[in-house]
Amino acid sequence: GAGVSQSPSNKVTEKGKDVELRCDPISGHTALYWYRQSLGQGLEFLIYFQGNSAPDKSGLPSDRFSAERTGGSVSTLTIQRTQQEDSAVYLCASSLAPMRDTQYFGPGTRLTVL
Amino acid sequence: RKEVEQDPGPFNVPEGATVAFNCTYSNSASQSFFWYRQDCRKEPKLLMSVYSSGNEDGRFTAQLNRASQYISLLIRDSKLSDSATYLCVAENRDDKIIFGKGTRLHILP
Repeated sequence: GAGVSQSPSNKVTEKGKDVELRCDPISGHTALYWYRQSLGQGLEFLIYFQGNSAPDKSGLPSDRFSAERTGGSVSTLTIQRTQQEDSAVYLCASSLAPMRDTQYFGPGTRLTVL
Repeated sequence: RKEVEQDPGPFNVPEGATVAFNCTYSNSASQSFFWYRQDCRKEPKLLMSVYSSGNEDGRFTAQLNRASQYISLLIRDSKLSDSATYLCVAENRDDKIIFGKGTRLHILP
């Protein structure tokens, strides 16, 4: 497809389990972004990749969160030992160039931690 | 003070009316600004970038006021399909992207 894809679309997990969320950006987009949106809240910027590297990881909520990108394409966001407050929609976006360029969002992964 | 603030609304506006909302940002180093639109349970989509000189795209006009640190969005001749949440975005020189929480707009028939 031509757009950003994310999988799974929905994930229900038990507190304490690890989850892995995947993002497939638009082909050729060098920048990739992860956001979190909780119910009724705005988008919380988590991290962005320029190629395979993330210049700043300080937006990640805790050390249970990690993200990687390989081959300048697919990215995974991993949450270890999930907590109920991790429940949110996790959105991925990509753009041709980092920052100051239109971001195209994927449909998101809705994570529910029971 | 939040870095990007918006009136959450909702703004209930009759079809055909003009509606405007502002967004304030606290970081004077913010360089780039955008308006995104998000429909219920959908992903955000870019509505328009905001340039220093102001820009217009059809019924939509965006303005930037650096002195007062706000951006605005004006929608003329509003349509039912304009009902959505409008997100203000500021990008900073230190590579941080800050989204506002959004302004909900309901266009009434």
